[in-house]
Amino acid sequence: GENVEQHPSTLSVQEGDSAVIKCTYSDSASNYFPWYKQELGKGPQLIIDIRSNVGEKKDQRIAVTLNKTAKHFSLHITETQPEDSAVYFCAASKTGYSTLTFGKGTMLLVSP
Amino acid sequence: KAGVTQTPRYLIKTRGQQVTLSCSPISGHRSVSWYQQTPGQGLQFLFEYFSETQRNKGNFPGRFSGRQFSNSRSEMNVSTLELGDSALYLCASSLFRDRVRDEQYFGPGTRLTVT
Repeated sequence: GENVEQHPSTLSVQEGDSAVIKCTYSDSASNYFPWYKQELGKGPQLIIDIRSNVGEKKDQRIAVTLNKTAKHFSLHITETQPEDSAVYFCAASKTGYSTLTFGKGTMLLVSP
Repeated sequence: KAGVTQTPRYLIKTRGQQVTLSCSPISGHRSVSWYQQTPGQGLQFLFEYFSETQRNKGNFPGRFSGRQFSNSRSEMNVSTLELGDSALYLCASSLFRDRVRDEQYFGPGTRLTVT
């Protein structure tokens, strides 16, 4: 089955810096890659996703890039703010499948 | 539109007991998936229901079961609770079953503590 590796497990940045979280996947058939943000006491919230027909997608300060050849995808957050502090999860799935395989998560801490 | 709701939010049970958790999906969503979240194992897929039928099951023992009703609301049940069942149980809903076609939205979870 699919295996998703996520790095780093923790990331500390200063407010205004950029943050990058990287994930690799094992199943070359995977073609859907969402990113979720989970704040304390809440469920994961979908923040951005990418499908394999595109290499990059942006939404304001957040961007996701995908390299299908290398089987890795990354989340980029620019101009980080304290409210970006949370645990971020990457995941993967493929056409015809209903399940998501998640990475282990990255705890992002943005210091003022 | 209201999001995914889960009840109860917190539960404390004793080893050997059983527990039932409830999930109400976003209105119009027909697919409901359940995940277990623990610090050690992360988010792990339990099972998925669509149109009242279990369509997919993760690698969990038979003590974990669920069902879906005609209004798409879903329940999951854990029998003979073990300490290792302590976790956050998350429910997620979507319109379709294919993740590539449709995003999945999570509820706030039920925090189960087994003592």
